[in-house]
Amino acid sequence: EPEVTQTPSHQVTQMGQEVILRCVPISNHLYFYWYRQILGQKVEFLVSFYNNEISEKSEIFDDQFSVERPDGSNFTLKIRSTKLEDSAMYFCASSETGTGGGWNTEAFFGQGTRLTVV
Amino acid sequence: AQSVTQPDIHITVSEGASLELRCNYSYGATPYLFWYVQSPGQGLQLLLKYFSGDTLVQGIKGFEAEFKRSQSSFNLRKPSVHWSDAAEYFCAVGPLSYNTDKLIFGTGTRLQVFP
Repeated sequence: EPEVTQTPSHQVTQMGQEVILRCVPISNHLYFYWYRQILGQKVEFLVSFYNNEISEKSEIFDDQFSVERPDGSNFTLKIRSTKLEDSAMYFCASSETGTGGGWNTEAFFGQGTRLTVV
Repeated sequence: AQSVTQPDIHITVSEGASLELRCNYSYGATPYLFWYVQSPGQGLQLLLKYFSGDTLVQGIKGFEAEFKRSQSSFNLRKPSVHWSDAAEYFCAVGPLSYNTDKLIFGTGTRLQVFP
């Protein structure tokens, strides 16, 4: 069964360092997402990406964050200068079509990358 | 603003017992509703979803959920829990307009199953 894969599963980084979280979405999917979950809090939407551009982003997704689809298979989330509060589980997801109203499709999630900023 | 509430942070049941996990949402219209499960070391896996039609939906692993518009609820149930059901369960509300794709999640309920 196709699945979304994320690497690494756990990353520890020092405050101020840049990190890149990697995701391989399901191959025929066109829409890609990042969510995060700070320990004990809700899973929160960060950004959606379609047709090589950001289609929507949350207020969390500030200038420190960027996303890229560098080739036909990977989807990355970059945090330029990590802060302690960026420590969280980051989930990548993909969907065949947009999940917006009118599309009864679903998003498939990866297993997450646990980012720890020290 | 739309929101999802899962009142129970942690639930413990005995294997073979029935289970109900609560989910309430706040939204003016009927949203798309989802339940996801996250087993240790695994991604978020979709258990079931409600878009329209029959308000009792069946999912994988023997789970079902019932949409109750009058109570703004979408509770997840299973008649007999297995030890392998121990996991974290997330309720989510689907995209609420054509120009957004984001899901809104609850805080999750951690299920512990005792033999």
